[in-house]
Amino acid sequence: DIVMTQSQKFMSTSVGDRVSITCKASQNVRTAVAWYQQKPGQSPKALIYLASNRHTGVPDRFTGSGSGTDFTLTINNVQSEDLADYFCLQHWIYPLTFGGGTKLEIK
Amino acid sequence: DVQLQESGPGLVKPSQSLSLTCSVTGYSITSGYYWNWIRQFPGNKLEWMGYISYDGRNNYNPSLKNRISITRDTSKNQFFLKLNSVTTEDTATYYCGRNGNYFDYWGQGTTLTVSS
Repeated sequence: DIVMTQSQKFMSTSVGDRVSITCKASQNVRTAVAWYQQKPGQSPKALIYLASNRHTGVPDRFTGSGSGTDFTLTINNVQSEDLADYFCLQHWIYPLTFGGGTKLEIK
Repeated sequence: DVQLQESGPGLVKPSQSLSLTCSVTGYSITSGYYWNWIRQFPGNKLEWMGYISYDGRNNYNPSLKNRISITRDTSKNQFFLKLNSVTTEDTATYYCGRNGNYFDYWGQGTTLTVSS
């Protein structure tokens, strides 16, 4: 199975800052990576697919980049409502696998 | 708008089978896409379990070996998860989700506890 590693379990940032969350794949997944936001008590919500495409309705301050094994989700102008867990998913090879998540804390 | 809604018993005893239902509105499960079950363990780890496709094909996570079955009722626009021989390690929140290139729609989740 492909292992998706999010090495930053916790990140702390302030409103208005830019934050980058990283995800590393154990093998080449081309650009087949999606990012999800999960707020407390809610199901995950899609943010980015195919590494850099925004899901419908996602604000443009969320951007994704990367290919191969290294991927980044960048949130510009962080807002208080961005307090959440963020997960990456590789959808290149079955079984599909998720990263362990990064919890974003707002100072 | 596409909506998915899980339902299930909430509590199952060890060694029994769990059965969950995902009811889909706003899109026919026979029109396209892959219809999945995903679970999230305490501590937040997510695991893809398997899918049934729009044309009835299955694909399962090998980690679940022969314990899993995903079926559907097209007349009700529902699909189902059955997991046999559950243990306490199957305690999780279970989500159903639609997958094209990625999981674009998820249900709200149903929590399942395995306990005697």
